[in-house]
Amino acid sequence: DAMVIQNPRYQVTQFGKPVTLSCSQTLNHNVMYWYQQKSSQAPKLLFHYYDKDFNNEADTPDNFQSRRPNTSFCFLDIRSPGLGDAAMYLCATSRDFASGDKTQYFGPGTRLLVL
Amino acid sequence: SQQGEEDPQALSIQEGENATMNCSYKTSINNLQWYRQNSGRGLVHLILIRSNEREKHSGRLRVTLDTSKKSSSLLITASRAADTASYFCATDGGSSNTGKLIFGQGTTLQVKP
Repeated sequence: DAMVIQNPRYQVTQFGKPVTLSCSQTLNHNVMYWYQQKSSQAPKLLFHYYDKDFNNEADTPDNFQSRRPNTSFCFLDIRSPGLGDAAMYLCATSRDFASGDKTQYFGPGTRLLVL
Repeated sequence: SQQGEEDPQALSIQEGENATMNCSYKTSINNLQWYRQNSGRGLVHLILIRSNEREKHSGRLRVTLDTSKKSSSLLITASRAADTASYFCATDGGSSNTGKLIFGQGTTLQVKP
C-alpha cells in the first residue's frame, strides 16, 4: 500500500545532541511537510518542500533544518535539541498544489524525548 | 495565531449517541478539511468541504459549512468506541497556490462502550 513512513517511531536524545528524524513516502507526491505537535495541541507547520524548493515558516527556529535528497525521502535535523523541542514530529505529503486535491497524508509520527 | 478554534475541547458520549464538534476560523477559505488523530498516531483525512458547499456526507460523517459565520461542524452519527480520537479542522487560509493547512486546536472525543 502507498504510504508515508516515519522512522524511528520513538527517539530519545540528550540535550544539545543533534538528532535526525526521517520520513519516506511511496505516494510519489510533490510536496512534503514537517509538523511539530506538542501534547494536546494542534500540529504546527515547521516547513515544507515543493519538489526541491524549501519553504520555511517564519517562526520556525533556526535550530530546525530539513533535507530532501529525492522525491521519496525528507529529513528533519534538530541541531541542538532543547527540552522544549520534546514533541511529536509529523511528516505529511500532498499532491501538486495545482492538482486540486488538498488532502494531506500523514505518517505515524516520531515522538522525540529530550533528556 | 492558529486559524481555527474548536468547540468543545473535550466530549464524552456513550456508544450509539451522536457527536457534534464545531470549528470556527478567521480568514476566508477555499476549503475546510476534517482530520482524525488516534492517540499517539498521525492524522487521517476524513472529509473536505469546499467554500461553495454547505453540507457534505461520508458514511456516518456529516459536515456543514457556514462561510458567513466562518464556522463548520462535524457530526458523527451512531458513534462507536473506535471513534475515540481527537478531531481537527484545517483550512487553507484562503491560499489556493500552496498546500499549507492551518489546524484548529482539536476536539478530543471519548466514546464509552
